[in-house]
Amino acid sequence: SQKIEQNSEALNIQEGKTATLTCNYTNYSPAYLQWYRQDPGRGPVFLLLIRENEKEKRKERLKVTFDTTLKQSLFHITASQPADSATYLCALDQGSSNTGKLIFGQGTTLQVKP
Amino acid sequence: DTGVSQDPRHKITKRGQNVTFRCDPISEHNRLYWYRQTLGQGPEFLTYFQNEAQLEKSRLLSDRFSAERPKGSFSTLEIQRTEQGDSAMYLCASSLDGGPEQYFGPGTRLTVT
Repeated sequence: SQKIEQNSEALNIQEGKTATLTCNYTNYSPAYLQWYRQDPGRGPVFLLLIRENEKEKRKERLKVTFDTTLKQSLFHITASQPADSATYLCALDQGSSNTGKLIFGQGTTLQVKP
Repeated sequence: DTGVSQDPRHKITKRGQNVTFRCDPISEHNRLYWYRQTLGQGPEFLTYFQNEAQLEKSRLLSDRFSAERPKGSFSTLEIQRTEQGDSAMYLCASSLDGGPEQYFGPGTRLTVT
């Protein structure tokens, strides 16, 4: 079955630097991969989706890459701010198409220090 | 529309009691999902609906769990004879049919004592 691994250790960076988070999956390459942000005590918030035929996707200070050969996605936040501190989750569909049954990684907690 | 809402936000119950949670999705969304999340883990899929039809249930969803979406709008998740292992955050999400991105509610935190 498909499994997702994210860095379980918290990532601490200085304000203004670029944060890079990693998501690795183990089985078949999904049609797309999603990234969500989750703040303590809140539900996840959708950030970005990248499809298998896309190498890179950008949204404001966020950039996601998708390497189906490495079975890996990287999530970058440039010019990081303390407000970016949160847990970031990657997710993909458990089925081979859009079933909506998402499997999530355990999340990586990002702490941006002023 | 203010997004997905869940009620209650917090629930403390004694082992063996039954609890019911409610989720109101974004009004035009026809898909509704339930997830469970424990501390330090990502959400785990439990079940989902397309309109009023429950299409799939995870193996995580034991016979003590039941979910309904009677009119294709709000949904309820009931846990019977709660156990301490049921303590978790229960998240509801909704999406438009064909849209992979899901919109989550704030969750219901269940504590079983």
